[in-house]
Amino acid sequence: KAGVTQTPRYLIKTRGQQVTLSCSPISGHRSVSWYQQTPGQGLQFLFEYFSETQRNKGNFPGRFSGRQFSNSRSEMNVSTLELGDSALYLCASRPSRSTDTQYFGPGTRLTVL
Amino acid sequence: SQQGEEDPQALSIQEGENATMNCSYKTSINNLQWYRQNSGRGLVHLILIRSNEREKHSGRLRVTLDTSKKSSSLLITASRAADTASYFCATDKDDYKLSFGAGTTVTVRA
Repeated sequence: KAGVTQTPRYLIKTRGQQVTLSCSPISGHRSVSWYQQTPGQGLQFLFEYFSETQRNKGNFPGRFSGRQFSNSRSEMNVSTLELGDSALYLCASRPSRSTDTQYFGPGTRLTVL
Repeated sequence: SQQGEEDPQALSIQEGENATMNCSYKTSINNLQWYRQNSGRGLVHLILIRSNEREKHSGRLRVTLDTSKKSSSLLITASRAADTASYFCATDKDDYKLSFGAGTTVTVRA
């Protein structure tokens, strides 16, 4: 099976802009989670989607949002970008919410100038 | 906020030596997982140990879990250059999300 894919791999934006990142989970996986990784805060949970519904949300401002489509693909959106949003955004998928192991994609490196 | 803390922050060893890193966490967990990350790329799942298990092996990896001390250790035996990476522990409190430690950067010298 193909692994988790994320597009784009690299992105440069300026402050105030918005950005949409995409994640395609492993075929058959229905749960998708997003994580943000920064040098200062480390790896932090953003949100989880299952059956097109957000099931869990981390401690991030409302500028961070996401959605999941009927084919389990997920997108996350960050509006009004700030310099501190520069990070590696990682997507992870698993077959169901009760599956413990999550499979991560290569990430999208977002740089905000 | 991060659930776990890892030590050491960085580790440099010779090829063939063993590498040990530790993870401590704060609250009760369902399971604890270890991941590897190469140069800011995606995370690769290494091993999972459940709260009712004390030790688990997978190839050159050995993981222990002490729930009374809220700590875990990861041992990599006979290290290779390809083991150079950052290693993260992640706890699952049965709330469908992982809480990661700050990671240990391992450098294996040839």
